[in-house]
Amino acid sequence: GQQVMQIPQYQHVQEGEDFTTYCNSSTTLSNIQWYKQRPGGHPVFLIQLVKSGEVKKQKRLTFQFGEAKKNSSLHITATQTTDVGTYFCAGHSILGGGSGSRLTFGEGTQLTVNP
Amino acid sequence: DTGVSQDPRHKITKRGQNVTFRCDPISEHNRLYWYRQTLGQGPEFLTYFQNEAQLEKSRLLSDRFSAERPKGSFSTLEIQRTEQGDSAMYLCASSFTFLKNEQYFGPGTRLTVT
Repeated sequence: GQQVMQIPQYQHVQEGEDFTTYCNSSTTLSNIQWYKQRPGGHPVFLIQLVKSGEVKKQKRLTFQFGEAKKNSSLHITATQTTDVGTYFCAGHSILGGGSGSRLTFGEGTQLTVNP
Repeated sequence: DTGVSQDPRHKITKRGQNVTFRCDPISEHNRLYWYRQTLGQGPEFLTYFQNEAQLEKSRLLSDRFSAERPKGSFSTLEIQRTEQGDSAMYLCASSFTFLKNEQYFGPGTRLTVT
């Protein structure tokens, strides 16, 4: 079955440093979504990427979707303490029917920010 | 509040007992999903509905698990003969179909099987 892998599993940064998490799928994706889960909270949708090579920005967050639509990255510039949480990528495999299929989540990257 | 709600928020049960959880999705959403999440892991897909139809069920889901969405609105997830390995957070999410398919999660039901 489809697998989605994320690295690193944990990342500790000083406030102001940059942060990047990488996501790789075992199958080609129709789209990829990113979610953030704060400690003790539930996943909250951040963004969806659909097109090959797509890049989207949300303030200090930059999301990329690979050309082959099998990988993605999230980069945070100048981290703040409010960025603390676990970042998950999640993809719809084209093998499963695209956006009509199940969403498979990666294991997440847990970000801690030291003030 | 028009978000996804789940009930109960916490459930402690003894091994072998049956438990049932409820999820009320965002009213305009026709898709509803159930996930299981354990510490340090991402949400693991269990099943999803489009309106009242259950379209997909994870092969990892044993026949002790059953879900319903009888009128295409709220959904229930039942676990029969609970085992300690069932202890986890059970998350419900809802979405529109197709173009706007980002999922909105509820707060979850934390199940502890003793």
